[in-house]
Amino acid sequence: QKEVEQNSGPLSVPEGAIASLNCTYSDRGSQSFFWYRQYSGKSPELIMSIYSNGDKEDGRFTAQLNKASQYVSLLIRDSQPSDSATYLCAVNLGYNNNDMRFGAGTRLTVKP
Amino acid sequence: EAQVTQNPRYLITVTGKKLTVTCSQNMNHEYMSWYRQDPGLGLRQIYYSMNVEVTDKGDVPEGYKVSRKEKRNFPLILESPSPNQTSLYFCASSLTGLMTDGGYTFGSGTRLTVV
Repeated sequence: QKEVEQNSGPLSVPEGAIASLNCTYSDRGSQSFFWYRQYSGKSPELIMSIYSNGDKEDGRFTAQLNKASQYVSLLIRDSQPSDSATYLCAVNLGYNNNDMRFGAGTRLTVKP
Repeated sequence: EAQVTQNPRYLITVTGKKLTVTCSQNMNHEYMSWYRQDPGLGLRQIYYSMNVEVTDKGDVPEGYKVSRKEKRNFPLILESPSPNQTSLYFCASSLTGLMTDGGYTFGSGTRLTVV
């Protein structure tokens, strides 16, 4: 079992819709969770971090964390074509504070 | 501007010819790390450094070396590159590397092809 799993996609949504990206992780001791956006040929860019169960909102982005289910998600409201990118989930495994593991990413396409 | 600078952006080399990819950050970050990104495998950590003169192996260290003689620089050395090291490489840094640090800042990437 991979430590951080994401559906590779592609996930396609129409402009203005809500895009929902999901991530599961294997280590129950994980403490910190991140979402990165990566445009094709570019470097990952941090868009959200979440440390506690529940929702965290930042503009059109909402991160949701459920540690009991070992599940973290990213919702993008009012999706725009400029949101088309690969979204990487990253989890700090907790038994070593430096141990950040990345999922393989979900490719999102927002169609005008 | 706060940034992580990698060079070169693109590199084509031949098997066995030693090469160095440079990484420099201007944010006074203690923690620096190297990743490689391959299709379907995501980002895999090669080496990381908690501070000057402190380095440790990540998940895929074979065939790579690093050094951290100064806080700002963390070069990645391939002593004898092989075709299976063809990949997209990213350098990343954060203030301390601890879990509450708020994530990494990534360099712009180096696309390496070994023929």
